[in-house]
Amino acid sequence: ETGVTQSPTHLIKTRGQQVTLRCSSQSGHNTVSWYQQALGQGPQFIFQYYREEENGRGNFPPRFSGLQFPNYSSELNVNALELDDSALYLCASSKGQGASGANVLTFGAGSRLTVL
Amino acid sequence: GQQVMQIPQYQHVQEGEDFTTYCNSSTTLSNIQWYKQRPGGHPVFLIQLVKSGEVKKQKRLTFQFGEAKKNSSLHITATQTTDVGTYFCAGRPGSNTGKLIFGQGTTLQVKP
Repeated sequence: ETGVTQSPTHLIKTRGQQVTLRCSSQSGHNTVSWYQQALGQGPQFIFQYYREEENGRGNFPPRFSGLQFPNYSSELNVNALELDDSALYLCASSKGQGASGANVLTFGAGSRLTVL
Repeated sequence: GQQVMQIPQYQHVQEGEDFTTYCNSSTTLSNIQWYKQRPGGHPVFLIQLVKSGEVKKQKRLTFQFGEAKKNSSLHITATQTTDVGTYFCAGRPGSNTGKLIFGQGTTLQVKP
């Protein structure tokens, strides 16, 4: 069983640039969620994708956007990067939608973004 | 907005001592999950509690969900150095949402 894989693992961008982070979900999982984890904080929910559509969004501005592909992999795009966007971005996959099927999250190792 | 608060933020214990972290939500939760994140790692699922007053055990770990489904606790008996890490509770605010609200975590240090 393949786990959740994320790329790149680390990247450095400058303010105003755009970034795309990628995630492959665990085999058998059809839902992908993205979380932002600042240093010393808990993960903050960005959004969730199910059947290639956004299924719930946290308190993040529209410059955070995403995609889910037919193979359930996903991308997180952030435009007009700000210094405060520096964080660990975690992708998590799960089975089912919403609270159905327990929706236990399997996290990837994350992409650490530094914005200078 | 909906918040999940966790205390304490840090806990240093001697190996063999017990440890407890507490989680409180501003709203009723449909369920609560607990995750462990080792230093430099990613959150790993430990357990999910769904029913009011539910208690679950995993070896030395005991998890409780409050009667009002607004609070939860994790208790570790006789800590070991392998218990080191940050423990997060994560609450699901509704029955039809994929959103999990994470607490800020409790970081446990265990002195051998």
